[in-house]
Amino acid sequence: KQEVTQIPAALSVPEGENLVLNCSFTDSAIYNLQWFRQDPGKGLTSLLLIQSSQREQTSGRLNASLDKSSGRSTLYIAASQPGDSATYLCAVLSGNTGKLIFGQGTTLQVKP
Amino acid sequence: EAQVTQNPRYLITVTGKKLTVTCSQNMNHEYMSWYRQDPGLGLRQIYYSMNVEVTDKGDVPEGYKVSRKEKRNFPLILESPSPNQTSLYFCASSLRSGGENTIYFGEGSWLTVV
Repeated sequence: KQEVTQIPAALSVPEGENLVLNCSFTDSAIYNLQWFRQDPGKGLTSLLLIQSSQREQTSGRLNASLDKSSGRSTLYIAASQPGDSATYLCAVLSGNTGKLIFGQGTTLQVKP
Repeated sequence: EAQVTQNPRYLITVTGKKLTVTCSQNMNHEYMSWYRQDPGLGLRQIYYSMNVEVTDKGDVPEGYKVSRKEKRNFPLILESPSPNQTSLYFCASSLRSGGENTIYFGEGSWLTVV
């Protein structure tokens, strides 16, 4: 059974720092891995989608990597800003039902 | 604008009073699904639909029903809500269920059952 774990559960950093969020999964047979952002009272916004054949994806200050063999992904946020404060969720798509398996999330606070 | 729209966004209801949470997408997506999000348990899939008239159970289907009569709509029905169904509900859609497809989520529906 696929399980997704995110470490740390919470993170507080000063503005301007580069930071890394970690995601691990137990079954390497995945179709893709997605990183989402969730703001309080809001829905999920897809940040980056990495296909199983890819190693990384970049969007602006965000870079996500995928190491399928070791069951790990990282989300790198460069030059963090207070507006980056949110909960970041990692999810893997495995199996053929289209179901995403989510981690518990990392709640990030970027202090001005 | 591509979007997944859920209604209502916030609802307080009483035990046993049937309710429906609507979900509509404007992207002509084949695949739609419902998740619930609970503290400590994360997001879990309730039901999914591969296409019109094709639905199946997710991980936590008990107490819920769905229907997919039209491609754009995928309502979630609680026939007799109970307090353990108090949760934040998300509808999601993607072009198909395959790995190359980005999944889009609605803004969520906060449901409280008293």
